[in-house]
Amino acid sequence: QSALTQPPSVSGAPGQRVTISCTGSSTSIGAGYDVHWYQQIPGAAPRLLIHNNDNRPSGVPDRFSGSRSGTSASLAITGLQADDEADYYCQSYDSSLGGFYVFGTGTKVVVL
Amino acid sequence: QVRLVQSGGEVRKVGASVKVSCKASGYTFGHYGITWVRQAPGQGLLWLGWISGHDGHTIYAPWVQDRVTVTTDTSTTTVYMELRSLRSDDTAVYFCARDLMTGSSPFIDHWGQGTLVTVSS
Repeated sequence: QSALTQPPSVSGAPGQRVTISCTGSSTSIGAGYDVHWYQQIPGAAPRLLIHNNDNRPSGVPDRFSGSRSGTSASLAITGLQADDEADYYCQSYDSSLGGFYVFGTGTKVVVL
Repeated sequence: QVRLVQSGGEVRKVGASVKVSCKASGYTFGHYGITWVRQAPGQGLLWLGWISGHDGHTIYAPWVQDRVTVTTDTSTTTVYMELRSLRSDDTAVYFCARDLMTGSSPFIDHWGQGTLVTVSS
């Protein structure tokens, strides 16, 4: 029962820009809780891409950027590359769910 | 460097229990929590629970709190996740992960390699 909704897939040609939305509610993103993003290559563990809405850990290219506004957040990938093809998940906290973490439904990025 | 090494894959029957271990190294264990996340085949990520590396305090997801127990052995910096009364839909890869909170919600900065738990009837 995910409380964060993402589009199932987005696609783009190499070099293009794609964005992934993450829609929450007034008890999650809208309440001001930080949003984080992970990249998962099939068969591997996820990798932290963005933390606290718009911060990149060291080693993450600046082609990846995050933002948050209202009850939603977004991940943008510019200069799309073939190895960006992966699943992407947003994550935050929802005060109505009685738990610690809530993940998004996940988005498959397809590089055409 | 931070490492989280999990135990190997397990096969269990419906109704049985499974215990997965997660050996942490490369950082001060008591300064971080460990969280458990699972991923069913072809599905997304689902949070199960969390334990403090400092004092062993736990928080569990409501949907599984009556079946899961997370414990820690600080002497070996190992965290264990036990899931009881297994069902076929518990078949998933289980990840342990190190987490921290520097803002208003926690996040994961390092992940274990994952442990496949297969539940068969």
